[in-house]
Amino acid sequence: DQQVKQNSPSLSVQEGRISILNCDYTNSMFDYFLWYKKYPAEGPTFLISISSIKDKNEDGRFTVFLNKSAKHLSLHIVPSQPGDSAVYFCAASLGGYAGNNRKLIWGLGTSLAVNP
Amino acid sequence: ETGVTQSPTHLIKTRGQQVTLRCSSQSGHNTVSWYQQALGQGPQFIFQYYREEENGRGNFPPRFSGLQFPNYSSELNVNALELDDSALYLCASRKGLGEETQYFGPGTRLLVL
Repeated sequence: DQQVKQNSPSLSVQEGRISILNCDYTNSMFDYFLWYKKYPAEGPTFLISISSIKDKNEDGRFTVFLNKSAKHLSLHIVPSQPGDSAVYFCAASLGGYAGNNRKLIWGLGTSLAVNP
Repeated sequence: ETGVTQSPTHLIKTRGQQVTLRCSSQSGHNTVSWYQQALGQGPQFIFQYYREEENGRGNFPPRFSGLQFPNYSSELNVNALELDDSALYLCASRKGLGEETQYFGPGTRLLVL
């Protein structure tokens, strides 16, 4: 049972345009969400996160939107650059504030290709 | 500040063998988690160590075991290797249990023949 779903395995956009990566989740107990970027042969790199008490978080070209009622979050990259080409993973975190047994539940990833 | 490092980068084993993977956490981080990422899948949580004790476990059998040392580095041990254990094994560290963001190493790619 996939609790975190990234329904688009791949996405292709032109350089300079907006990239929108989507993520849906099923467990309403998730209280923190993170996006990671992964290049081949490297470990995931943290990109941006959002707490469930917020609906938007922005960091430079990256913005994450959270719609709790729809159990949906999205990552917007504006403007997209060729160096953004990578696999993007959405991850959700579950656990008490003390962090006991807090673990990340991951989606399957979306491969983004930004074309020059 | 040194990031998370893992060794070895690649490993080939045969069924039934045992393997030990190593991870050095980022400086100042006392919590280490291990993940298994099969081809085409997202990472799956194996277990987490906090101050040398296991502090949470995913849906993996007991032949997956771990250790954390006083310097917060960690080992993942897998006994009686099976073909399905072939995967990328990722180690992630963070400053403490209350910290949300985990920082990942480059991973160890294990192939079981």
